[in-house]
Amino acid sequence: GAVVSQHPSRVICKSGTSVKIECRSLDFQATTMFWYRQFPKQSLMLMATSNEGSKATYEQGVEKDKFLINHASLTLSTLTVTSAHPEDSSFYICSARDRGGYTFGSGTRLTVV
Amino acid sequence: DQQVKQNSPSLSVQEGRISILNCDYTNSMFDYFLWYKKYPAEGPTFLISISSIKDKNEDGRFTVFLNKSAKHLSLHIVPSQPGDSAVYFCAASAGSGGSNYKLTFGKGTLLTVNP
Repeated sequence: GAVVSQHPSRVICKSGTSVKIECRSLDFQATTMFWYRQFPKQSLMLMATSNEGSKATYEQGVEKDKFLINHASLTLSTLTVTSAHPEDSSFYICSARDRGGYTFGSGTRLTVV
Repeated sequence: DQQVKQNSPSLSVQEGRISILNCDYTNSMFDYFLWYKKYPAEGPTFLISISSIKDKNEDGRFTVFLNKSAKHLSLHIVPSQPGDSAVYFCAASAGSGGSNYKLTFGKGTLLTVNP
């Protein structure tokens, strides 16, 4: 089946630094990928839709200058959390649409100290 | 405004019995529904889906029922196994034919299957 690889799985960074999270579709091409954020005991909230070769579409309330998304190829999308703050600490998950449905990455636990 | 609602945050079931997880939605444009299973610190794993043209879809121990008039769907797991213990998310999208239709998730239901 389709596989989406997400790295890193865990990252701890200092306040004010930037963190990049990668999401790769391993055996299929994904023109569209999705980035979600999940707080403890909460739903997965869509942050943005990443489109290959064009600008990402951000959901209401998501700062596009803070959460930079780049989808430079059909198999790779990256999310960069810029100038991270403790309130950005969360679980970030990417997803890609494949023929069988939606496949999710394994998630990234970001902790900002 | 929660468009997809899972009103039971948790459910406990005995091994071998049936688990029934419920989901309600408010957006009448939703026409494709999915159930995901998720373990802590992992991404969701797809379980089963259903299109709005159907009212039932079955895959092994998992069956999803859709009641469009009530805007309600449910996931039945029978027989339940301890390995089924996880958080189950209901998700919906509007427009199943496209490649970029976003999913809206419920808050999840923690299922615990006791041996």
